[in-house]
Amino acid sequence: GAVVSQHPSWVICKSGTSVKIECRSLDFQATTMFWYRQFPKQSLMLMATSNEGSKATYEQGVEKDKFLINHASLTLSTLTVTSAHPEDSSFYICSAIQGDVAVSPLHFGNGTRLTVT
Amino acid sequence: AQSVTQLGSHVSVSEGALVLLRCNYSSSVPPYLFWYVQYPNQGLQLLLKYTTGATLVKGINGFEAEFKKSETSFHLTKPSAHMSDAAEYFCAVSDIGTGGFKTIFGAGTRLFVKA
Repeated sequence: GAVVSQHPSWVICKSGTSVKIECRSLDFQATTMFWYRQFPKQSLMLMATSNEGSKATYEQGVEKDKFLINHASLTLSTLTVTSAHPEDSSFYICSAIQGDVAVSPLHFGNGTRLTVT
Repeated sequence: AQSVTQLGSHVSVSEGALVLLRCNYSSSVPPYLFWYVQYPNQGLQLLLKYTTGATLVKGINGFEAEFKKSETSFHLTKPSAHMSDAAEYFCAVSDIGTGGFKTIFGAGTRLFVKA
């Protein structure tokens, strides 16, 4: 149980275009979803926390107009990288949580590798 | 704010040898601690977690970790390494941030297993 599906697993796009990444909880309702960015051989950097039906909370230094997050339902959150540039190339990972965020583990998607040319 | 320190960005062991990955945390309140594993080009998978109760926690794939409050540590161990254990391991702690609770990750430790 507790499967999170992230799509696409990889995407290549041209500079200036936008890319949408989907994160779905397949067999549970996710009270909260998180979006992370991971640079090569580094830890996960939290970008934003997303709760269904409300605006996402962005971490300091993350541009909310560039990284648009929509949490349309308890099973779906999307991250749109707008006007992508090569420096946005990275590995993006979503996670979802069910229940008490303090004690419940995170369930991760398999990540999306974005390459902007 | 809470933080997590993983000692050693790389650990190399021989197959069959003991695995020890170190994690120390800073916290002013009882922590909720986690270990996750990440295989190449994949998301993270929960190995084990400590919330309350028994301080020795057993996880999947033969891993276990012991919460030691006096040492503010939560080291991950496995008695006998297997080649399939080669991966990146992240220690994590729950923290209260401006957006509510969130998980803070350590920098990660890459485990290499030699045949």
